[in-house]
Amino acid sequence: EAQVTQNPRYLITVTGKKLTVTCSQNMNHEYMSWYRQDPGLGLRQIYYSMNVEVTDKGDVPEGYKVSRKEKRNFPLILESPSPNQTSLYFCASSFMGTGTEAFFGQGTRLTVV
Amino acid sequence: GESVGLHLPTLSVQEGDNSIINCAYSNSASDYFIWYKQESGKGPQFIIDIRSNMDKRQGQRVTVLLNKTVKHLSLQIAATQPGDSAVYFCAENNAGNNRKLIWGLGTSLAVNP
Repeated sequence: EAQVTQNPRYLITVTGKKLTVTCSQNMNHEYMSWYRQDPGLGLRQIYYSMNVEVTDKGDVPEGYKVSRKEKRNFPLILESPSPNQTSLYFCASSFMGTGTEAFFGQGTRLTVV
Repeated sequence: GESVGLHLPTLSVQEGDNSIINCAYSNSASDYFIWYKQESGKGPQFIIDIRSNMDKRQGQRVTVLLNKTVKHLSLQIAATQPGDSAVYFCAENNAGNNRKLIWGLGTSLAVNP
């Protein structure tokens, strides 16, 4: 089954403790991206990747890092999480390139206290 | 379920009726548009897309209409079912924004049995 898998689904952490949210897709898609979703603000793109070793900032990249060492995986790294990064995060992928997000993961609910 | 927005526009319809969800997009240079469905607790799901060289595109029970003159997009759902209850997002893609998607804030569709 074609899917984007995120882990964990839920995470509560403390300010400053580094964390990684993993994202994996099994469709051999070149394009992957990360979004955060907040009430009243909708979906905002954090980072995207056109292919292996090619990443670029989205609209709200501050406080986040990503890596794309292999095509299927696109982890989101919070080096020093802060409470304003409490949000619902989604990973997405597509075979058609930038701005064509076709498949989304189930989401990761992150709470930073 | 997850809250995806505060004070979203809400459309309430009876089961079996047709639904029309509207969206005004922002940039006349946008040339690709996507409708997504997000059910409570899940990631956005791609429903249907349309390119700017088309006025109408049909899928299974869904039709998207594009009016470039007034920068308006609509999603029509035929014979609405309880499973159609969700938040619906339109998104636009244009080369002027580095091809990143610009997301609407969503419309909540409630289907009454």
